Amino acid sequence: ETGVTQSPTHLIKTRGQQVTLRCSSQSGHNTVSWYQQALGQGPQFIFQYYREEENGRGNFPPRFSGLQFPNYSSELNVNALELDDSALYLCASSLGSGLSYEQYFGPGTRLTVT
Amino acid sequence: DAKTTQPPSMDCAEGRAANLPCNHSTISGNEYVYWYRQIHSQGPQYIIHGLKNNETNEMASLIITEDRKSSTLILPHATLRDTAVYYCIVLQNQGGKLIFGQGTELSVKP
Repeated sequence: ETGVTQSPTHLIKTRGQQVTLRCSSQSGHNTVSWYQQALGQGPQFIFQYYREEENGRGNFPPRFSGLQFPNYSSELNVNALELDDSALYLCASSLGSGLSYEQYFGPGTRLTVT
Repeated sequence: DAKTTQPPSMDCAEGRAANLPCNHSTISGNEYVYWYRQIHSQGPQYIIHGLKNNETNEMASLIITEDRKSSTLILPHATLRDTAVYYCIVLQNQGGKLIFGQGTELSVKP
């Protein structure tokens, strides 16, 4: 167990709806990264938050947005859901955002868009 | 961005050492090599990382060649629970984002 928790574990939404996924980082970690993993693929980086500020973003449209709170927990929001957004969404926390900090992943939220 | 190349799949007998290779010929001098694994339906798990020197922890050993163009992850005594997809990642310079490739699917067989 990494100490990183995510909620909910599973979610079913309809195309066009909005969704919020939540992540609690490991105690003492100030950095949270979010990843999307489609079936059969490796995780793809969405964005990272370091001390409540966005600290890097992958190739995802603006309808993917995030937030980090003072306690370093984080949310991922996706607007105008599309069928291709169906995936496992993973968050990972780390002590910092630099090159030598390992990331600890949560179990993920499985999102299905119908 | 430095890319990695791994064999898509490997088999290993239970109790034997599993040696997983990774090529990263375009790695930059200050980029780290990280290894993660993902057991089916779980989040990725950190295994080990290194810059230039060989590294060992309770899970595995990481051997990095002197020119840093390739590395090998060694699981010294593989068990059935080590069956997973293993990802070799060269960590990006900005923000520490992990770029996952397809990884190596390791099957440990009795």
